[in-house]
Parts: sequence; structure tokens; C-alpha cells
Amino acid sequence: DAKTTQPTSMDCAEGRAANLPCNHSTISGNEYVYWYRQIHSQGPQYIIHGLKNNETNEMASLIITEDRKSSTLILPHATLRDTAVYYCIVRAISSNDYKLSFGAGTTVTVRA
Amino acid sequence: EAGVTQFPSHSVIEKGQTVTLRCDPISGHDNLYWYRRVMGKEIKFLLHFVKESKQDESGMPNNRFLAERTGGTYSTLKVQPAELEDSGVYFCASSQGRYNEQFFGPGTRLTVL
Repeated sequence: DAKTTQPTSMDCAEGRAANLPCNHSTISGNEYVYWYRQIHSQGPQYIIHGLKNNETNEMASLIITEDRKSSTLILPHATLRDTAVYYCIVRAISSNDYKLSFGAGTTVTVRA
Repeated sequence: EAGVTQFPSHSVIEKGQTVTLRCDPISGHDNLYWYRRVMGKEIKFLLHFVKESKQDESGMPNNRFLAERTGGTYSTLKVQPAELEDSGVYFCASSQGRYNEQFFGPGTRLTVL
């Protein structure tokens, strides 16, 4: 069962930053926050993950609040190819549970 | 580096028939996962292999589903006999270590008529 809450959908203008929120108020100390996305007709794609520090890679930035109860995925300059369903997933690292629990995600539509 | 590949990309079968889906993970990835999305539902975990061993098959819906990974390389998922509710997209993923990011294949779209 998904342990996160995300908005159902959001629109973003091409070239602007897209800020995707995620609530995970019951997150445990050993659980990381992962973000994946699924572009139409493709398999899910890993974006980024973090524990408590902010993280940045070539795709996005992840901002995690100090209490770790929520986070924001930032796509700095959204393009039309970023239109996808974005999934925020919490996942423990120290257990034997390696599966990803996908929720409904946020459908992001980037408009020209 | 080749990604995760799945075969076939689409399969249409009659209820009661058997279908076998294949997944080739990224070379060197010991961890292999199967997931599926049935119509209108969320993506759900089916099972996890570490090399040729089933580590977790808690998501397998029933005994009509059989997954194998002989030799610890490619994996097959057989559905026998297929039912209407098995229709959906079946994804395979692989990862190098247990906690590394999972790389997904494009999926196999299964339609049971």
C-alpha cells in the first residue's frame, strides 16, 4: 500500500520549473523517498531518491523537509517530453523489502 | 549498454490459453522484478528474484502464475490458464544491488479475450 499522498494532476508551462509535492507523514527513519515517472506507453523510469538531505542530478532536484514528512520534486526547466505520471514512493533500505509500491501518482502535463 | 527488454510487446490470447512472457534484464543485474498494471489500477509488485532464487513472491495473484529464472539470467512469467482479469501491462525491472534503482522494461501488454 502506498504511503504517500500526491495531487492527482497538475499543469506546467514549457520552460518553467515544475514543482511536484508529496506528503509522507508516516515515513520511518530508515525509509528513503524515491521518485519515478512513467511516460505514456513506456516503463517507469527512475528519477532521483533521498533520505534527508536535498539531492540533485541531471534530471531533477529533490527537496525534503527537515521533519521528512513531505518532499518536492523539482524539474527545473520542464519540456513537453516531461509530460508523464510521476510517482513518489517511500522505501525502506534496511529491510528485506525491495519492492516499489506505486500509488496513483501525479499526472503532469507540460503545455507549450 | 542495453536496457531491460521484454518479449513480446503485445499478446492477445483467448481465455483459457497459456501465455509466456519473457524478460531479459540488464547484464550483470542479479535482482529481477515483475510488476503489472491491470486496467484502471495501480502498478503492483508481483515477485522478486535474486539470481535464480525467488526472494519475494508475495504479489503473485494465484497459482495460475509461474515465474522462473533459470541460470539467473532471463526470466519468464507464464500464465496458465489465462483469465479475463489477467489483462494488463506486465513490467519487468532489474537492479544491480538490492537497494539500487530499478530499471524497467517497456512492458508486455496482455489482452485476454
